[in-house]
Amino acid sequence: AQSVTQPDIHITVSEGASLELRCNYSYGATPYLFWYVQSPGQGLQLLLKYFSGDTLVQGIKGFEAEFKRSQSSFNLRKPSVHWSDAAEYFCAVGSNAGKSTFGDGTTLTVKP
Amino acid sequence: DAGVIQSPRHEVTEMGQEVTLRCKPISGHDYLFWYRQTMMRGLELLIYFNNNVPIDDSGMPEDRFSAKMPNASFSTLKIQPSEPRDSAVYFCASSTRDKNTEAFFGQGTRLTVV
Repeated sequence: AQSVTQPDIHITVSEGASLELRCNYSYGATPYLFWYVQSPGQGLQLLLKYFSGDTLVQGIKGFEAEFKRSQSSFNLRKPSVHWSDAAEYFCAVGSNAGKSTFGDGTTLTVKP
Repeated sequence: DAGVIQSPRHEVTEMGQEVTLRCKPISGHDYLFWYRQTMMRGLELLIYFNNNVPIDDSGMPEDRFSAKMPNASFSTLKIQPSEPRDSAVYFCASSTRDKNTEAFFGQGTRLTVV
């Protein structure tokens, strides 16, 4: 069975600081991995995805993620956080983006 | 494209009443998913369709829940009778394999059962 663990329920960073959100997955085959962002009252928006190839994936809004098979991880990073990045972030694993298993999410707070 | 459209955005109903949530997927997408999001359980897949046919409904919590997709452009999720514990945000998403399986989510329906 596939599963996703986001160890950090809540993270607070200062504006301009770097960010890393952790994601660990369990999947029997080569996984498809996704990061979504959800702003309050909104649906989920895809930030980036990994299917194959280069293990460092670039996404929208300046985010990137690195797939590390040996660690079963797909951590999300951003070099400099903006106040507008405050939201909830979900990591997901699956063979189809819709039929995916989602983590419990990490809420990001950005301090001025 | 307008994206995935869900209606209503908010629904407040009394316990025991029937509730119908609606979804219009993105044109050309052949997969449609219904998710439920709660604080306690996070984001759960309830059911998904491929080419209007239900493929996996193992996430549907009880027989009170039912979903249909009469055509490629419309789906409903019905709860009858509704209970307070059904209060959640319900999301519809659609995708197609032609787009590297990225899923597009609607803005959700916030359901409150009192």
